[in-house]
Amino acid sequence: QQQVKQSPQSLIVQKGGISIINCAYENTAFDYFPWYQQFPGKGPALLIAIRPDVSEKKEGRFTISFNKSAKQFSLHIMDSQPGDSATYFCAASGSSGTASKLTFGTGTRLQVTL
Amino acid sequence: DGGITQSPKYLFRKEGQNVTLSCEQNLNHDAMYWYRQDPGQGLRLIYYSQIVNDFQKGDIAEGYSVSREKKESFPLTVTSAQKNPTAFYLCASSIVFSSGSRYEQYFGPGTRLTVT
Repeated sequence: QQQVKQSPQSLIVQKGGISIINCAYENTAFDYFPWYQQFPGKGPALLIAIRPDVSEKKEGRFTISFNKSAKQFSLHIMDSQPGDSATYFCAASGSSGTASKLTFGTGTRLQVTL
Repeated sequence: DGGITQSPKYLFRKEGQNVTLSCEQNLNHDAMYWYRQDPGQGLRLIYYSQIVNDFQKGDIAEGYSVSREKKESFPLTVTSAQKNPTAFYLCASSIVFSSGSRYEQYFGPGTRLTVT
């Protein structure tokens, strides 16, 4: 019930391409879905987040797509740049009980090549 | 890294010794968290605290202890009972809403602990 499954584990994209990372969850009590970006040796930084009342949220080149019925959400990075090379984590949490803890996916290592 | 500081950045200890990792925040956040990160396993919650002098176990609390004597500080002690302590440790904090829910978590830069 608490798992968040993330794929792929690693991803190589050419500069200018679209990077897509997918996550799936099981707990229907989850109502907050953030994405974090982490560079080597650094702490994760909140990138973008969505709540289930909308199906898409866009901030610059980063877009979250959310499918409530399928219990899936994904991160799209448009016009991927070498500076986007990092590990990306999806996460989910709810507002009460055990769901209120942030549950993380296992991460996707993105490499953007020239 | 926001207003969260963790020290030191690298820490080396011999097996059998307890070690305390520091976490301080100046964001005026009520909630603080400790995570452990291992390669390929994402972030796993060790302990969290919503208020001073109160804390709860996370998913992997065995072998760890915490205290929350001040709102700004949430130190983590890795005890000799922790079987596999070498890892990257991350501290985070968040606001707690009046409903009790807490969402956006902001992370510190982490402490890499190596135990030999």
